[in-house]
This record gives sequence, C-alpha cells and structure tokens, in this order.
Amino acid sequence: EIVLTQSPATLSLSPGERATLSCRASQSVRSYLAWYQQKPGQAPRLLIYDASNRATGIPARFSGSGSGTDFTLTISSLEPEDFAVYYCQQRSNWPSITFGQGTRLEIK
Amino acid sequence: QVQLVESGGGVVQPGRSLRLSCTASGFSFSRYAMHWVRQAPGKGLEWVAVISNDGRDKHNADSVKGRFTISRDNSKNTLYLQMNSLRAEDTAVYYCARDLNIGPADYYLDYWGQGTLVTVSS
Repeated sequence: EIVLTQSPATLSLSPGERATLSCRASQSVRSYLAWYQQKPGQAPRLLIYDASNRATGIPARFSGSGSGTDFTLTISSLEPEDFAVYYCQQRSNWPSITFGQGTRLEIK
Repeated sequence: QVQLVESGGGVVQPGRSLRLSCTASGFSFSRYAMHWVRQAPGKGLEWVAVISNDGRDKHNADSVKGRFTISRDNSKNTLYLQMNSLRAEDTAVYYCARDLNIGPADYYLDYWGQGTLVTVSS
C-alpha cells in the first residue's frame, strides 16, 4: 500500500496570506495525485487532479505541483472560505487508492 | 446539476448486515464508474469500493474484502453497497462519489453525495 504523509498537520494563517501544503508518497505515484477540500459537515470537493490540473469551477488561486513522491498544493491568497481540511489522494496503484491523513488549514 | 443522495444508514449490531443506496441525477449515470468512500468520526477518508460503468468490474479495499459488495442498477440510476458481517470499525459516514471521467475508472472523484452515517454498536 502506498502511504501518503501530509504536512503540516495544522497550518495557521491569515486571509490574504499564501498557503503551502505538502504531500509525500512512500513510493513514486508519478503524477497520479489529487487534492480535495473538506469543510465541516460537508463532503469533500475535488480541487486538483493529475498533480496540477484544476477541476471544473476551481478558482485559479489553487494550484498543484510535483511528481514522483513530493507534491504541493498552493493557495496563492487565502479567502475566508478556504479554511478547511485538505486531503491528497493517489491513484497510481489502482484499484488500491489511498488518501493522506489531512492538513487542517485554520485562521490565525 | 449533478446530485448524489445516499440512504440506508443507521445503527446496526455487530455481525449484522445493512444495504446502502445512492440515487444519482443530473448526469448520464450509466457512463461513469462509481465509488464508495467512508470517513470514521473525526478521521480521514478511506476508499471502500469501485464499480465500472457497466457493473462488470468491481474492486474492494482489503479492509472490506469478502464482507462488502458494490453493485449498481443503471435502469434506476442507483448505486448500492451491501455490507455484511459489520464490525465496530466500520462505523463511518459513507459517501458515494462519481468518477471524474466517462468510461474506465480514473479513480479521481469529482462529485460526492452528502453521506449516510452507519453506526455499528451493540
């Protein structure tokens, strides 16, 4: 099983700041990585797939990068609605797909 | 617009069975692979199962293999998860989710339902 480790566990920032979230895979997943946002009481929302492609309707302030084992989700300028939990997910060794444990982005 | 609505959750005793349903609307259900993903209270996401658009190809996570069965009825636009031999560790919100692209499963999940809570407890 491919293990995804996200860091930091919690990130405290203010609106308008830049957020950088990390996801590291236990082995190469090539570019087969996605990012999701989940707000309390809501279902996850797909943000990025194939490491850097924004899903439909996702604002341009969200961007993804990386390949192999190291990936980054960047939010260029935080809006109030961006404070949530973020998960990475790999599909490299489907059908055994896995998620990271999540990074909580909270208001400082 | 795309809608996925889960139902069938509830409280069930260990060892018993439960069947979840997910009714889809707003898209051509029969053209997409579908998934179940679960989330234990206060925990992260765990993928559970996938089924191809025509229902012929299915895969489960190791944690539910031999106990859970995914199925679909394209004439009813409905996805199912039959859960047998339930354990306390199966307690979670269960989400159905649509695969990103038409055709073979991409294993990226672009639309999710709101989830249904399954509690396994005596």
